[in-house]
Amino acid sequence: NAGVTQTPKFQVLKTGQSMTLQCAQDMNHEYMSWYRQDPGMGLRLIHYSVGAGITDQGEVPNGYNVSRSTTEDFPLRLLSAAPSQTSVYFCASSYSAGRPEQYFGPGTRLTVT
Amino acid sequence: GQQLNQSPQSMFIQEGEDVSMNCTSSSIFNTWLWYKQDPGEGPVLLIALYKAGELTSNGRLTAQFGITRKDSFLNISASIPSDVGIYFCAGQRGKRDDKIIFGKGTRLHILP
Repeated sequence: NAGVTQTPKFQVLKTGQSMTLQCAQDMNHEYMSWYRQDPGMGLRLIHYSVGAGITDQGEVPNGYNVSRSTTEDFPLRLLSAAPSQTSVYFCASSYSAGRPEQYFGPGTRLTVT
Repeated sequence: GQQLNQSPQSMFIQEGEDVSMNCTSSSIFNTWLWYKQDPGEGPVLLIALYKAGELTSNGRLTAQFGITRKDSFLNISASIPSDVGIYFCAGQRGKRDDKIIFGKGTRLHILP
């Protein structure tokens, strides 16, 4: 089991560029979520999904899109990157919404210049 | 929006001391979770709590689900150097609100 994997590990973007952060899990988990971590701010929820085909907004969804076409994958899209999106992004998964013990990926460090 | 208030923000303790930290909210939560994050890594789950009043241990760590459902506590006994890191509480309200939100963390430092 690889657990939760995230790619890339590091990324530098210019303002206005788009990109997709990849997240995959091989544990057959229904529940997946994306967080961003900024100094002193803890982990803030961007989007989450309770199962394939279902997504919902978290605390800070603006500027980000998600989709969940398969159980395994939950990509996060930045359509037009802004410097305020410079952060460390974590993907997490858990067995189900009713069992929220989440496993986290190693993170993607994104810098937008 | 929902907020989890974690305190203290940081702690400086001597090796061997006991540690207490807590997490409070103005809303009721049905699940409380405690995580630890080491530098450069993702958070790792320490303890999950599902019932008001529940007290659960994991080695030297003990966590409690507050009776009001608006708070939770984490204690670490006899701290050791590898306890250094950031401790996060997280909560899920349930009842059709499945978001899992996090506090801002307590950074634990151990003095030599």
